[in-house]
Amino acid sequence: AQSVSQHNHHVILSEAASLELGCNYSYGGTVNLFWYVQYPGQHLQLLLKYFSGDPLVKGIKGFEAEFIKSKFSFNLRKPSVQWSDTAEYFCAVNGDNYGQNFVFGPGTRLSVLP
Amino acid sequence: NAGVTQTPKFRVLKTGQSMTLLCAQDMNHEYMYWYRQDPGMGLRLIHYSVGEGTTAKGEVPDGYNVSRLKKQNFLLGLESAAPSQTSVYFCASSSRGDNEQFFGPGTRLTVL
Repeated sequence: AQSVSQHNHHVILSEAASLELGCNYSYGGTVNLFWYVQYPGQHLQLLLKYFSGDPLVKGIKGFEAEFIKSKFSFNLRKPSVQWSDTAEYFCAVNGDNYGQNFVFGPGTRLSVLP
Repeated sequence: NAGVTQTPKFRVLKTGQSMTLLCAQDMNHEYMYWYRQDPGMGLRLIHYSVGEGTTAKGEVPDGYNVSRLKKQNFLLGLESAAPSQTSVYFCASSSRGDNEQFFGPGTRLTVL
């Protein structure tokens, strides 16, 4: 079965630190990749997505992600985090044999200390 | 546009009670989904629909039923609630099955 793993359960950073959140998936076919963010008490919102083309994808709020097909990875990065980035981050994958289904990772909770 | 809305926002049930969660979207999306979110487990797909009048099972469908009588609405039913169904339930919709999903604000359900 397809699966998505996220390397860290909880990441704690100070403001201005750099961020990298890992995401790996287990499917070998064509994939669409997504990062969603869930701010405290809010619903999930799309940060960025990759369908094809340039493997370095830029999203909202200064986030970017790099698709490395050989490593089945789609890591999320931000050069300098802010306190307002405190949230839970979910990686999601839709493969060409998933039908209408997405598979979400377990999430990484990011706490940014002021 | 309201996007995706869910009612109710909170609910407490006793074991064995039934209830229906309503999801509505005003984006004319074909696809709609119900997920549950539990700590450390991310989102798990319960049921989904690829169009009005259609439904399909997701990863964790047991104990739930759904209906899509109108394109804009997707109902999730619990016929006999169990404590294991205590969770936060999210509805989502998308224009295509492989495209971005738009999420509702969630319903926090507690089953005692």
